[in-house]
Amino acid sequence: KAGVTQTPRYLIKTRGQQVTLSCSPISGHRSVSWYQQTPGQGLQFLFEYFSETQRNKGNFPGRFSGRQFSNSRSEMNVSTLELGDSALYLCASSLGLGQETQYFGPGTRLLVL
Amino acid sequence: QQQVKQSPQSLIVQKGGISIINCAYENTAFDYFPWYQQFPGKGPALLIAIRPDVSEKKEGRFTISFNKSAKQFSLHIMDSQPGDSATYFCAASKTGTASKLTFGTGTRLQVTL
Repeated sequence: KAGVTQTPRYLIKTRGQQVTLSCSPISGHRSVSWYQQTPGQGLQFLFEYFSETQRNKGNFPGRFSGRQFSNSRSEMNVSTLELGDSALYLCASSLGLGQETQYFGPGTRLLVL
Repeated sequence: QQQVKQSPQSLIVQKGGISIINCAYENTAFDYFPWYQQFPGKGPALLIAIRPDVSEKKEGRFTISFNKSAKQFSLHIMDSQPGDSATYFCAASKTGTASKLTFGTGTRLQVTL
């Protein structure tokens, strides 16, 4: 089975722009979660989607949003980028809502200049 | 507010030695405690996990020890190998929001020859 895939792997944007990151979960997995990883703040939960609905949300501003499609693929969007948004954005999938075992993708490294 | 504290920040162990990483949590509602291993350029991978109803869980060379009264848990890597050199994260979550992991700050482990 293929693992979690994320595209693109690397991205460079400038302040004020917006960005969309994509995540394809493991086949059969219906829950997708997003995390931000930075040297200063570590790994922080952004949100979780299941059945095209956001089920859980972390403490991030509204500039961070996401969605999930009927095939369980997910996208996250960050609007009005700030320098502090530079991070590795990780997507994780699990079989279903409340399933503890999560499988992480390799991440998308975003650099905001 | 950091709810999971992890130590040490970095660790150097000789090949064949025991690596020990400690974590402490604050939220008594947490009831799932996984450890993740992350290699450079990769997403975190689940190593081993424990629930509070057991005090120890072993999988191969990896053991989790759990102390519910002290709200602490630790990862022991026996017979450490150079291939174990990676960053290790403890995490915690609670029933109902199992995929909303709260991560520790990470421990960079280096196993020397």
